[in-house]
Amino acid sequence: KQEVTQIPAALSVPEGENLVLNCSFTDSAIYNLQWFRQDPGKGLTSLLLIQSSQREQTSGRLNASLDKSSGRSTLYIAASQPGDSATYLCAVQGSQGNLIFGKGTKLSVKP
Amino acid sequence: GAVVSQHPSWVICKSGTSVKIECRSLDFQATTMFWYRQFPKQSLMLMATSNEGSKATYEQGVEKDKFLINHASLTLSTLTVTSAHPEDSSFYICSARGTDTSSYEQYFGPGTRLTVT
Repeated sequence: KQEVTQIPAALSVPEGENLVLNCSFTDSAIYNLQWFRQDPGKGLTSLLLIQSSQREQTSGRLNASLDKSSGRSTLYIAASQPGDSATYLCAVQGSQGNLIFGKGTKLSVKP
Repeated sequence: GAVVSQHPSWVICKSGTSVKIECRSLDFQATTMFWYRQFPKQSLMLMATSNEGSKATYEQGVEKDKFLINHASLTLSTLTVTSAHPEDSSFYICSARGTDTSSYEQYFGPGTRLTVT
């Protein structure tokens, strides 16, 4: 059974810092991996999707990497801003099509 | 990009009543829709997968007679919580997947917060 773990559970950094969020999964037979952002009481915003054949994806200040063989992904946020404060969710998609989510990392960027 | 809407965004109902939540894909045809549930400070848990025109597939532990899912068209799926109880209070989020088999990306709705009193 696929399990997704995110570390740390919470992170607080001063504005301007670069940071890394970690995601690990137990079954490497994944179709793709997605990173989402969730603001309090809101739905999900898709940030990056990495296909299983890809190693990384970039969008603006965000860079996500995928090492399928070791079951790891990282989300790198450069020059963090207070507006980046949110919960970041990692999810892997298997052959069935459903997404398995981690519990998220709650990020707080202090001005 | 692909847009998915949910209605209502929040609902309060009394214990024992039924509540229907709609999930619509606005600018694409969704052959498959997923329903997730999220309890406070927990992650999203898949409840069921529905394909247009066929019966939904429920995850283990999810009562199919309590959570009725209908996916009658390529743009609409509904989740009905029957005889709701306070423990059903949660954040319900749907997602839709189109016909782009190159990515199988899912697009999420904004969620519906259900409070059962």
